[in-house]
Amino acid sequence: DIVMTQTPLSSPVTLGQPASISCRSSQSLVHSDGNTYLSWLQQRPGQPPRLLIYKISNRFSGVPDRFSGSGAGTDFTLKISRVEAEDVGVYYCMQATQFPQAFGQGTKLEIK
Amino acid sequence: EVQLVQSGAEVKKPGESLKISCKGSGYSFTSYWIGWVRQMPGKGLEWMGIIYPGDSDTRYSPSFQGQVTISADKSISTAYLQWSSLKASDTAMYYCATPDGGSYGYWGQGTLVTVSS
Repeated sequence: DIVMTQTPLSSPVTLGQPASISCRSSQSLVHSDGNTYLSWLQQRPGQPPRLLIYKISNRFSGVPDRFSGSGAGTDFTLKISRVEAEDVGVYYCMQATQFPQAFGQGTKLEIK
Repeated sequence: EVQLVQSGAEVKKPGESLKISCKGSGYSFTSYWIGWVRQMPGKGLEWMGIIYPGDSDTRYSPSFQGQVTISADKSISTAYLQWSSLKASDTAMYYCATPDGGSYGYWGQGTLVTVSS
């Protein structure tokens, strides 16, 4: 089974400053169809998760362009160019390349 | 508009059975997988399993295989998650979700299950 490991687990950030979260998979996430099914989700307190980025770098509908994803193979990064107050929450990477699908442990983004 | 509407919160005793539901609308229910995700209090997201309503192909996480049953009734566009004998450790929020673009773009509002004697 693929294990997803995120760093850091907690990230205090100043408003207006950038933030970055890393995610590493224990195996390559390249699917036999050529796609890499690595996504990033945000969960604000008391809400269901929300998809931000799919297939490494594609922003989902309605997601602000301050969110971006990058990476390949086993190493991936989510970047927020300028953190806003509404970005507080927990961020998860997730792989859907292979069953069982799996989430990372989550990274808590908080404002300094 | 794609919507997943889950059944309401449940309070059960250990040993009781339970079936919660997730009704899809606004898309072709039989053409997309629906997954189930557990979130225990104060913890992260755990992938439990997934079903393809078109042919009922079902996959489970090894952690949940044998502990829960995932099913779907395509005639009413509804997926289910059920337990035959609940434990206190099943206390959690349970989400259903369906993909868009290869990941879970659409989520239900969650069903809180509390198991307590």
